[in-house]
Amino acid sequence: DGGITQSPKYLFRKEGQNVTLSCEQNLNHDAMYWYRQDPGQGLRLIYYSQIVNDFQKGDIAEGYSVSREKKESFPLTVTSAQKNPTAFYLCASSISGVPQYFGPGTRLTVL
Amino acid sequence: GEDVEQSLFLSVREGDSSVINCTYTDSSSTYLYWYKQEPGAGLQLLTYIFSNMDMKQDQRLTVLLNKKDKHLSLRIADTQTGDSAIYFCAEKNYNNDMRFGAGTRLTVKP
Repeated sequence: DGGITQSPKYLFRKEGQNVTLSCEQNLNHDAMYWYRQDPGQGLRLIYYSQIVNDFQKGDIAEGYSVSREKKESFPLTVTSAQKNPTAFYLCASSISGVPQYFGPGTRLTVL
Repeated sequence: GEDVEQSLFLSVREGDSSVINCTYTDSSSTYLYWYKQEPGAGLQLLTYIFSNMDMKQDQRLTVLLNKKDKHLSLRIADTQTGDSAIYFCAEKNYNNDMRFGAGTRLTVKP
């Protein structure tokens, strides 16, 4: 079955810690995206990558970092510089430039 | 900046039609999209419409676009309890930037 997987489903972080959220796809899509979802707000783009070894900042990249060493994988690190990281994080991929397939999401909570 | 706006809640009875509305401000929008999000899950692309179309129908879903008023709607015919979810409107402009609305929570009552 083709799709996008995100892990873990729930993640708890202490203040001052960096955490990494995993996103893997086996759809052979070139483009991958990270979004943040907060209650009552639309999705906001954090980072996106259109090809391996290249990525671009989205609207709210501060406090986040990414890498794209393999086509299948686009991990997101939430650093201690992100002041309000508690949110639902969604990874997506596409072949046409429009996010078409979304992963199930990771809910990050700062303790 | 450019905005996409939706009402936050809609409640209908099973079997009725649901109409979810969306307005956007970017006049350079090329495509407009509807996504569905079930609880605790990612988004699922339901349908899309090109900006030079005014209507698209796909089984129980009808998308209407009024480009002059920058108004998009999604009509779900014969709404079922399984349609209960959050529905997001999104638009893409000529720069390939996408903007999402805040989502409309549809509740279907039996």
